[in-house]
Amino acid sequence: EPEVTQTPSHQVTQMGQEVILRCVPISNHLYFYWYRQILGQKVEFLVSFYNNEISEKSEIFDDQFSVERPDGSNFTLKIRSTKLEDSAMYFCADRDREYEQYFGPGTRLTVT
Amino acid sequence: GQNIDQPTEMTATEGAIVQINCTYQTSGFNGLFWYQQHAGEAPTFLSYNVLDGLEEKGRFSSFLSRSKGYSYLLLKELQMKDSASYLCAVRDGREAAGNKLTFGGGTRVLVKP
Repeated sequence: EPEVTQTPSHQVTQMGQEVILRCVPISNHLYFYWYRQILGQKVEFLVSFYNNEISEKSEIFDDQFSVERPDGSNFTLKIRSTKLEDSAMYFCADRDREYEQYFGPGTRLTVT
Repeated sequence: GQNIDQPTEMTATEGAIVQINCTYQTSGFNGLFWYQQHAGEAPTFLSYNVLDGLEEKGRFSSFLSRSKGYSYLLLKELQMKDSASYLCAVRDGREAAGNKLTFGGGTRVLVKP
């Protein structure tokens, strides 16, 4: 069964550094999402992406964040200048025309 | 906006039944999801309800009442491996929103022998 994959599984970075989190969605899926989950808290929506553009973004997704799908397969989330409070699990998800969103295994981002 | 409430924690005995309730107030409702999440792992899909009524899937069932803004997840014949967090999530029906999911805080279920 095809799966969403994410790399790296764990990223440690210093405050102020840029990070890029990578996701390979399931082939032929059309809608892509990033969510994050701070330790012990709920899963929060960051951004949705369809047809090579952002559909919606949350108030968390400020100017420090960006997404792109550079080559038709990878889907990336960039944080330009990381802050301590960006430490969280970041989940990529996608869906086809049906309803179910498939989550990747997540990237644990630790900002020191 | 969306507001989703579910209990923080529940404890049950192996072999028993547990019901996890979820209430929501939303704009643009287009379906309610239940996900299971083990510690340190990604959410995995359990069930989806868009119409009122009960959906049964093996040991797991989910119920929805749209008029009451209420859902529950029923776990039967509990097994130790069912110890996990169970997340209630509402889908925003606006296509412009990309059908994003808004999650509740999750209910941690502890199954005891």
